[in-house]
Amino acid sequence: ETGVTQSPTHLIKTRGQQVTLRCSSQSGHNTVSWYQQALGQGPQFIFQYYREEENGRGNFPPRFSGLQFPNYSSELNVNALELDDSALYLCASSSQGGSEAFFGQGTRLTVV
Amino acid sequence: AQSVTQLDSQVPVFEEAPVELRCNYSSSVSVYLFWYVQYPNQGLQLLLKYLSGSTLVKGINGFEAEFNKSQTSFHLRKPSVHISDTAEYFCAGRGSNDYKLSFGAGTTVTVRA
Repeated sequence: ETGVTQSPTHLIKTRGQQVTLRCSSQSGHNTVSWYQQALGQGPQFIFQYYREEENGRGNFPPRFSGLQFPNYSSELNVNALELDDSALYLCASSSQGGSEAFFGQGTRLTVV
Repeated sequence: AQSVTQLDSQVPVFEEAPVELRCNYSSSVSVYLFWYVQYPNQGLQLLLKYLSGSTLVKGINGFEAEFNKSQTSFHLRKPSVHISDTAEYFCAGRGSNDYKLSFGAGTTVTVRA
């Protein structure tokens, strides 16, 4: 059974650019959630995808968008990057109705 | 909406001593509570969870937590820590019908020899 995998592990972008982060969910999981963890803080919920549809959204602007594919993998896209977008982005997968979320290793995004 | 507060930002502790990390939650509905550990440059690993039933929950690596509804607390404990327990610990919660986890700000545990 493979766990949640994210790519890339690190990347550096310039302010104003766009970025795409990727997540492969754990085998058997159909729900993917994305979280942003700024340095020294707890993770903050961005949104969740279930059956290729956005299932809930946190307090993030529309330039944060996502996709879920038929194999349940997911992408997080961020447009018009700002310096404050620098953070660890965590993906978590779960089964719909399941109690537990399993997290990937995260992608460390640095915006300069 | 569910909110979670971790009362200690940093906890230094000597090896083989006990440790307690405090977490309070606020919710008027049935709540699920979790403790996660994060090692440097890694993701989150689940230590234990409370869904219902027994208020004393045992997790991995010798950790346990007690759900206290009257005090709206879910404190994490370990009777004897190791150097390898040095990490960031996060308390998280969600309503039983909710889809998102709300996390506390984290507690940094530093174990010294």
